[in-house]
Amino acid sequence: AQSVTQPDIHITVSEGASLELRCNYSYGATPYLFWYVQSPGQGLQLLLKYFSGDTLVQGIKGFEAEFKRSQSSFNLRKPSVHWSDAAEYFCAVRSNQGGKLIFGQGTELSVKP
Amino acid sequence: DTAVSQTPKYLVTQMGNDKSIKCEQNLGHDTMYWYKQDSKKFLKIMFSYNNKELIINETVPNRFSPKSPDKAHLNLHINSLELGDSAVYFCASSLGYSNQPQHFGDGTRLSIL
Repeated sequence: AQSVTQPDIHITVSEGASLELRCNYSYGATPYLFWYVQSPGQGLQLLLKYFSGDTLVQGIKGFEAEFKRSQSSFNLRKPSVHWSDAAEYFCAVRSNQGGKLIFGQGTELSVKP
Repeated sequence: DTAVSQTPKYLVTQMGNDKSIKCEQNLGHDTMYWYKQDSKKFLKIMFSYNNKELIINETVPNRFSPKSPDKAHLNLHINSLELGDSAVYFCASSLGYSNQPQHFGDGTRLSIL
């Protein structure tokens, strides 16, 4: 079955520190992978996506993610976190059934001064 | 310019009532979706439509009836509302349903009293 796991429910980092949010997926073929961010009371904004090609993808707001097929992972990284990055982050895989997104449980990021 | 807009943003109503949520996108997309986000922030697909045709119905109770009058609109009507329907409902759209990313609205928070 297709699934996405985000092992960390909540992460706190200091402003200026580096960040890595973990995502593991289960998918039979080459996955289409996404990271979305949700600020309080807002919808989901696409940070970046992976379809094929270069396994290191760049996104908006200084985020990047690396696709590792051998580890079934697609971890999100940022070298220096800003207070405005505090939000909920969702990893998702595109299902081959009608294109629906299968989401992970989300990781809540808190940023301390 | 709002790409995917949902109305209303908040909906508070009594158990047993019937209510509708509207969604419109101005991106020229041909595929639209409804997702439900529960109190633990877990996101799950409910329906998707491609060119006004239903392509996903994820075992949602038949009290929920989506309607797509044209490619730019996907409305959600809910009959006989129950306490468990309290959630945030997100509309999304994409171009096709293969590898193109989905764009989300800001959500409708439905609270059942």
